[in-house]
Amino acid sequence: DAGVTQSPTHLIKTRGQHVTLRCSPISGHKSVSWYQQVLGQGPQFIFQYYEKEERGRGNFPDRFSARQFPNYSSELNVNALLLGDSALYLCASSPNAGQLSNQPQHFGDGTRLSIL
Amino acid sequence: AQTVTQSQPEMSVQEAETVTLSCTYDTSENNYYLFWYKQPPSRQMILVIRQEAYKQQNATENRFSVNFQKAAKSFSLKISDSQLGDTAMYFCAFMKIRSGNTPLVFGKGTRLSVIA
Repeated sequence: DAGVTQSPTHLIKTRGQHVTLRCSPISGHKSVSWYQQVLGQGPQFIFQYYEKEERGRGNFPDRFSARQFPNYSSELNVNALLLGDSALYLCASSPNAGQLSNQPQHFGDGTRLSIL
Repeated sequence: AQTVTQSQPEMSVQEAETVTLSCTYDTSENNYYLFWYKQPPSRQMILVIRQEAYKQQNATENRFSVNFQKAAKSFSLKISDSQLGDTAMYFCAFMKIRSGNTPLVFGKGTRLSVIA
């Protein structure tokens, strides 16, 4: 079975632009989470979606938004890009959310976003 | 809020030797999961080992084992017979057990170098 797939792998944008990152979970997984990993740091939680509903949001500004589609794939959108948005954006999927599952989150390879 | 602390930014070990990576965490939760993830230069976050807080027995996965001290809120990773392929960033992570929003909370990581 294919793992979590993310696209694109690399992206270069300039300040003020917007970006859309995409994630396809492992087949059968209904929960998708997004994390931002700034160079030299651990990943920081941005969003979690389960069954197309937002289940949680981390401490990120409203410029960050996401959605989950009926096939459980997900998009992360970032508007008005800032230099500080340069990071590796990781998507993770799991069969269910939280207590409903004892399965850990499986991560994709990430999208490296560079803001010039 | 939960916090995870990894006090060793970098470590090195000779091939075939044993190394222990430290992790402490802070939480008021009683039930939770703890994880160690490995992130090689290829950047995919790979699950190494998982521990359920309600289990007293320390988890073991081949050459990887943990020392889980719940009262001390300590969760160290021991790698035995270190191999060159173990070279990577290692992240300790915490997850509450409940339905709904259950993001992973990561430490800042430990960079492990295995030397031939």
